[in-house]
Amino acid sequence: GENVEQHPSTLSVQEGDSAVIKCTYSDSASNYFPWYKQELGKRPQLIIDIRSNVGEKKDQRIAVTLNKTAKHFSLHITETQPEDSAVYFCAATGGIGTASKLTFGTGTRLQVML
Amino acid sequence: ETGVTQTPRHLVMGMTNKKSLKCEQHLGHNAMYWYKQSAKKPLELMFVYNFKEQTENNSVPSRFSPECPNSSHLFLHLHTLQPEDSALYLCASSQGQTTYSNQPQHFGDGTRLSIL
Repeated sequence: GENVEQHPSTLSVQEGDSAVIKCTYSDSASNYFPWYKQELGKRPQLIIDIRSNVGEKKDQRIAVTLNKTAKHFSLHITETQPEDSAVYFCAATGGIGTASKLTFGTGTRLQVML
Repeated sequence: ETGVTQTPRHLVMGMTNKKSLKCEQHLGHNAMYWYKQSAKKPLELMFVYNFKEQTENNSVPSRFSPECPNSSHLFLHLHTLQPEDSALYLCASSQGQTTYSNQPQHFGDGTRLSIL
């Protein structure tokens, strides 16, 4: 089955700096890669996703890149703000017969310092 | 009103009790999911229902029993749980899945379960 590894587990940045979180996956058939943000005591919220037919997707201050050859994808947050502080999870799924089976990374706790 | 609603938000039960978790989605979706979230571990998929049919059981012990009476409601029946089952149980929903499509999943706030 799919295995997703996520790094780093914790990340501290100064307000205004950029943050990058990286994930690798094992199943070359995976074709859908969402990112979720989970604030303390709240639900995971989808913030951006990318499909395997594109290499990069951007939505305001967040972007995701995908390298299918290397089987890794990354989340980039620019101009970080205190409200970006949360735990971020990457996930992967895809392949015939596995369309619904998301495998999550272990999460990255991002702290944006004033 | 939130798209995916879970009740109760918190549940404390003994190992011999029987209880049920409820999930309701108001997004017009046709797929629903149960996940377990434990400290220091990734979100673990437990069950998937696609158009009311169970399509995934991720080797979950039989003390967890899901029920999906219609596309809007999902239950997780609990009995004879163990202390290691204490966790946050999250429900999610999405558009119905097809073999070649992956649809974004939307989560509820979860039920924090504590087993005494």
